This record gives sequence, structure tokens and C-alpha cells, in this order.
Amino acid sequence: GAGVSQSPSNKVTEKGKDVELRCDPISGHTALYWYRQSLGQGLEFLIYFQGNSAPDKSGLPSDRFSAERTGGSVSTLTIQRTQQEDSAVYLCASSAGQMLGEQYFGPGTRLTVT
Amino acid sequence: KQEVTQIPAALSVPEGENLVLNCSFTDSAIYNLQWFRQDPGKGLTSLLLIQSSQREQTSGRLNASLDKSSGRSTLYIAASQPGDSATYLCAAKTGFQKLVFGTGTRLLVSP
Repeated sequence: GAGVSQSPSNKVTEKGKDVELRCDPISGHTALYWYRQSLGQGLEFLIYFQGNSAPDKSGLPSDRFSAERTGGSVSTLTIQRTQQEDSAVYLCASSAGQMLGEQYFGPGTRLTVT
Repeated sequence: KQEVTQIPAALSVPEGENLVLNCSFTDSAIYNLQWFRQDPGKGLTSLLLIQSSQREQTSGRLNASLDKSSGRSTLYIAASQPGDSATYLCAAKTGFQKLVFGTGTRLLVSP
């Protein structure tokens, strides 16, 4: 079946603009995660959804970052007033929801803020 | 706070060699440990998942072991091939299911 998909694959934006990144998890997966991979910081957790609620938002770096999930499926990560330090690859993952379940990753969205 | 370290940062070997990648974590209270490979410009591909109650997992030429008490996991790759060239990441699952990633080992297998 289809894996995790993300769009766009690449996004170039000007500093100060808002961007939206989309994630389509594997069908039936109740858990969804956003991570960020940047050169200086490695791969870091941003937020976790179980269904439509987010019990762990501890990794969101500032209040410019927000995320939502609707219908227990698609998720959108929004970055407002983008800064150059937001440039990174944003990865989405999903899992079947069990505590011990494996996480499956999408191909990522490469965000470049100029 | 969980911290995950991988050694070596980079490794270059000739084709056919057996090799070991190391992963260490500071907090032994993990649910499981997952090994991934990442090809340049691509996402992460899951290789092996070891639950906290398990000692090892095998898939083809790959074998991963887990020693929670010492905070270590190793990924053994047998008879390496050029197609194994990639960055290998380990990640420990902590509370609320988030993964804490290591910094990765960049592997190059030469023909």
C-alpha cells in the first residue's frame, strides 16, 4: 500500500512569509509525528498526534510553529513569519498507534528560507 | 533527558567486509530502539526495530542487538555491498512515543 506522503517536496520562501507543509499518513495509522532535520541540530522531534489531538508538542521551537490534524488523517505544519534558521528538512512519520509500534517516514519537505 | 550517540561518525570499508555500527543512549527506560538508513536527499527507511524486552533482531544481512542495562545497541552488517552506502541512524523511543535520534554514521562501501 501507499506509504507516508508529504507535499511539497521542496519549498523556497522569503523571510517573513508563512508556509504550510502537508503530511498524508499511511491509511489507518492513528499516530502521526513531525520531525525536523537540520545541519546543525540533527533530527529532532517537533510534535506528536494521536488521532486529532496532540498530547506532546514539546518540540515546537517557538509560537511561530503550529500543527493540526483533521479527520484523524492529514496533518498540516504551519510556520508563520519564517526565519532563515527555519531552513531544514521537515519529516513526517506515522505508526499504527501502539506504544511499541514502528514509525514509517515520508520523504520530507525541504524548506529554504531566503 | 535522553541523549543518543553514534560511533563512528563516518566509516569507509571495501566491499565484502563485515562491519559494526554503535549506538549508545543515556536513559535505559526506553520502549524500543529503531535503526534506519537514509540515502542522500531522501527520507528514512526503517531497517530493524528491537523492543525493550528483546536482545536482537535479524533481517537478511543485518543484525541488531540491544543491551538496555549498558545503554547500547549495535548494528552488524555482514558482507557489505556498495548499495549499503548510506547514513545509518538509531533512534530510541521514549515517553509519548517520540523518537530521540542519534547523529548518524555515514557509511561508504567501495567496490
